[in-house]
Amino acid sequence: QQQVKQSPQSLIVQKGGISIINCAYENTAFDYFPWYQQFPGKGPALLIAIRPDVSEKKEGRFTISFNKSAKQFSLHIMDSQPGDSATYFCAASFNNDMRFGAGTRLTVKP
Amino acid sequence: DTAVSQTPKYLVTQMGNDKSIKCEQNLGHDTMYWYKQDSKKFLKIMFSYNNKELIINETVPNRFSPKSPDKAHLNLHINSLELGDSAVYFCASSQRGHGNQPQHFGDGTRLSIL
Repeated sequence: QQQVKQSPQSLIVQKGGISIINCAYENTAFDYFPWYQQFPGKGPALLIAIRPDVSEKKEGRFTISFNKSAKQFSLHIMDSQPGDSATYFCAASFNNDMRFGAGTRLTVKP
Repeated sequence: DTAVSQTPKYLVTQMGNDKSIKCEQNLGHDTMYWYKQDSKKFLKIMFSYNNKELIINETVPNRFSPKSPDKAHLNLHINSLELGDSAVYFCASSQRGHGNQPQHFGDGTRLSIL
């Protein structure tokens, strides 16, 4: 039973465009929502994270939007670049017990 | 300077064998984890250790046994390997603190069962 649902499964965006990945969760005990970026042959690397007491967090070109009442959160990548091409995972965690979404393979075309 | 290092990077072995994967972190973290990533890239937590004490033990066959000799090391031993064990296994670590802390991952061990 997947506790975090992620969509889309794959995404193709033109260079300079906006990439949007969505996630939803059921367990209201989750209190930490990170996004990880994974390149082929590498481990997931933390990109940005949010806690449920804020509705938005921005770091450079990456923004998390969080809707606590809807139990949804999303990652926006502005001005997407070919170097952003990777698999992105959302996750939700409680007491360091982290559950991942199924991943989104992002391809940014030059 | 590798923060979380796993050995070996690749492991190819026959069904029925026993194998171990080693993990070491030099970040001074108290908590370490093992994750399994299947062929569809789905990441699932297997175990979590906090200062050598087992904290999370997901529904994993008892052929899998984690061992933590000290808080900087968490090894994974697998007995009687099966075809379904083929996957990439990731070790991760985090600082113990109030609430959740960022987890840092190694680059994985790709296990292939023939």
